[in-house]
Amino acid sequence: EIVLTQSPGTLSLSPGERATLSCRASQSVSSSYLAWYQQKPGQAPRLLIYGASSRATGIPDRFSGSGSGTDFTLNISRLEPEDFAVYYCQQYGKSPITFGQGTRLEIK
Amino acid sequence: QVLLQESGPGLVKPSETLSLTCAVSGGSITSGYWGWIRQSPGKGLEWIGYFSYTATTNYNPSLKSRVVISVDTSNNHFSLKLSSVTAADTAVYYCARGLYGSGSYLYFDPWGQGTLVTVSS
Repeated sequence: EIVLTQSPGTLSLSPGERATLSCRASQSVSSSYLAWYQQKPGQAPRLLIYGASSRATGIPDRFSGSGSGTDFTLNISRLEPEDFAVYYCQQYGKSPITFGQGTRLEIK
Repeated sequence: QVLLQESGPGLVKPSETLSLTCAVSGGSITSGYWGWIRQSPGKGLEWIGYFSYTATTNYNPSLKSRVVISVDTSNNHFSLKLSSVTAADTAVYYCARGLYGSGSYLYFDPWGQGTLVTVSS
């Protein structure tokens, strides 16, 4: 199975700063079938990005995804207070579908 | 707007069968893909399986021998059964709609709110 490793484990930033989150796959993710989710405490994950770079409906344009092959990135251009949460990547190019272990984005 | 809501017992005894239901509103389960994912502190997010009413059912190989996903079209809901549970199956269980790209497997949107299932005697 494809193992997704997210880094850093925790990212401490201030509102207004830029966040860069990484997701590295143990083998190439076909056709950039990679998604990103945001999860806040007590809530279900919310889809942010699919196809490595396409924003889901209603997601602000400060969220952007990039990458291909084994290296993917989620960028948040200017952090808003509501952006502090845990972020997960997921690959859906090969079965079994797998998720990364998450990056916690916390207020500095 | 598609909404999903999980329901079922919050406590299951070891070796018994975990049974959950996902009620779907705002969309028909006879169209598209629908799946189950769980989240535990130890294993993070883990895909369990998904189905399409008109196509296939696909299970995570790590759980395949113990999982059955079934559908009830009269009530527009689908169900998860996980047999021979142990403490390792303690998790928040989510149902979700599956979406896909050409030739891909699934990503998930939206998700239900999740339901905590604890395996304990």
